[in-house]
Amino acid sequence: EPEVTQTPSHQVTQMGQEVILRCVPISNHLYFYWYRQILGQKVEFLVSFYNNEISEKSEIFDDQFSVERPDGSNFTLKIRSTKLEDSAMYFCASRPTTLAKNIQYFGAGTRLSVL
Amino acid sequence: AQTVTQSQPEMSVQEAETVTLSCTYDTSESDYYLFWYKQPPSRQMILVIRQEAYKQQNATENRFSVNFQKAAKSFSLKISDSQLGDAAMYFCAYRSPPGANSKLTFGKGITLSVRP
Repeated sequence: EPEVTQTPSHQVTQMGQEVILRCVPISNHLYFYWYRQILGQKVEFLVSFYNNEISEKSEIFDDQFSVERPDGSNFTLKIRSTKLEDSAMYFCASRPTTLAKNIQYFGAGTRLSVL
Repeated sequence: AQTVTQSQPEMSVQEAETVTLSCTYDTSESDYYLFWYKQPPSRQMILVIRQEAYKQQNATENRFSVNFQKAAKSFSLKISDSQLGDAAMYFCAYRSPPGANSKLTFGKGITLSVRP
């Protein structure tokens, strides 16, 4: 069964450094999402992406964040200058285009630790 | 804005017994989707079950079923014949009407433990 793949599974970085989290959505999906989950808290929406542009973003998704689909398969989340409070689990999700399949499929997540 | 409330932080069930996890939501929309996701210790988010608001019939998936009360804005998950592998965090989520490229709004989650 196809699945959303995220790499790396765990990323450790120093405060102020740039990180890129990578996702390979399911191949025939065209809607992509990033969510984050700070330890012990609920999953929060960051951004949605369709047709090579951001469709919606939350207040969390400030100028330090950016997303990109550099090729036909990858979907990346970049944090330009990480802060301690960016430490969280980051989930990528994708969704098919057919309205009958309004399900977001999640990857296993990338645990980001900012030191 | 839509909100999702899971008021019970933790629940426990004996193996083979039945447990119900509660969820309420607030919305002004008439058509939407509701979901339950499971997050085991591996922290991957796994879809358990979904419900379309326009359907009166409650969704079922094997041992999992929902009690969808649209007027009360309630969406509870019933797990029958609980198994040790059901132990996980369970999140209730809301999604706006079809056709919109809209986000999932999650509740805070409930930790379910299963006693052998």
